[in-house]
Amino acid sequence: DTGVSQNPRHKITKRGQNVTFRCDPISEHNRLYWYRQTLGQGPEFLTYFQNEAQLEKSRLLSDRFSAERPKGSFSTLEIQRTEQGDSAMYLCASSVRGTEQETQYFGPGTRLLVL
Amino acid sequence: AQSVTQLGSHVSVSEGALVLLRCNYSSSVPPYLFWYVQYPNQGLQLLLKYTSAATLVKGINGFEAEFKKSETSFHLTKPSAHMSDAAEYFCAVMNQAGTALIFGKGTTLSVSS
Repeated sequence: DTGVSQNPRHKITKRGQNVTFRCDPISEHNRLYWYRQTLGQGPEFLTYFQNEAQLEKSRLLSDRFSAERPKGSFSTLEIQRTEQGDSAMYLCASSVRGTEQETQYFGPGTRLLVL
Repeated sequence: AQSVTQLGSHVSVSEGALVLLRCNYSSSVPPYLFWYVQYPNQGLQLLLKYTSAATLVKGINGFEAEFKKSETSFHLTKPSAHMSDAAEYFCAVMNQAGTALIFGKGTTLSVSS
């Protein structure tokens, strides 16, 4: 069990550029989640997948954001036409079956800075 | 709707002193509550969770938390602080649909020698 991994760990981009982040969950974890954490705040839920199906999206996930989880394994989060307000830490988590009491295991995050 | 309030954005203690980090929740259903710790530039690590099996929950690194329904609280404690406990701590409640964690704003713990 190698834990949840995320790449890249850091990304600096210019406003208007597109960026893509990758998350590799713990193997055999059915659920995968994306959260966003801004400075001085707790993580905020963006979206989650049950296997390859994206079942819920937060209103925080604007049209510029898209997430995929092909084949129910790794996931990508793409931000198009980045804005300075997108600067944040993007966290990925996974869980085995997704019951309410089940632990979500978090990756180290991708820190995005939009100049 | 579920929510979590962490009282005190910053707590400072001396090494060896009691650590008390406060968390109050709001939930229309029996809550599932969690405490996570985040070290600088790292992801979140689960300290402990309440799932209604026992009101006093023991976690890793000597931390524990007590669920008090009458006070809608789930405060985190540790009898004796260690320098390595310095980090940011987040209290979270599972949303009603069981699909996402709702986090508080976090409490930064500083430990001085």
